[in-house]
Amino acid sequence: QQPVQSPQAVILREGEDAVINCSSSKALYSVHWYRQKHGEAPVFLMILLKGGEQKGHDKISASFNEKKQQSSLYLTASQLSYSGTYFCGTESPNDYKLSFGAGTTVTVRA
Amino acid sequence: EADIYQTPRYLVIGTGKKITLECSQTMGHDKMYWYQQDPGMELHLIHYSYGVNSTEKGDLSSESTVSRIRTEHFPLTLESARPSHTSQYLCATSVEGEETQYFGPGTRLLVL
Repeated sequence: QQPVQSPQAVILREGEDAVINCSSSKALYSVHWYRQKHGEAPVFLMILLKGGEQKGHDKISASFNEKKQQSSLYLTASQLSYSGTYFCGTESPNDYKLSFGAGTTVTVRA
Repeated sequence: EADIYQTPRYLVIGTGKKITLECSQTMGHDKMYWYQQDPGMELHLIHYSYGVNSTEKGDLSSESTVSRIRTEHFPLTLESARPSHTSQYLCATSVEGEETQYFGPGTRLLVL
């Protein structure tokens, strides 16, 4: 029931791009993205509601394909501060709570 | 300033002890959650509450219990701690009608 994230980990150099995918076997109402730095609590990045919208947060953006039941997070021109573990949280209709993926660890190196 | 507080931040305790992890929020949010997260691993929902006197078990079976007597307070209790309970416990809140969750700093528990 928990969404599947891929890849599990990615290593980037500053300025490179990356894509993190989140897929669910259930119909989705919304997808939430969080970033957790080592030793800290997860921090909310953005929410995408059904309708296929795309959102951005600085140079981090995301898309949501409701029909495919998946979302992608795009890290563009990555910065050192982007390092951390990214989790997607999915909400299904009438579920009223989030199911989190296993996380994707992003390491950005100078 | 609206915030979520968890105490203690770190706890080392012996097997068999009863412990209560505290979570308080000044966000005014109705919904509160407890997650268990092992280092580098995913978040597992163990309990949640939609409001006062409402508590539900989450997706991951847990030997802990919770109570929600006041909106701002959602303590988690382990009656008899065991080494398998060693983990990080995260409290989160959300507004009724929304699922965006705001996390507290977490409690790292080590049971010897």
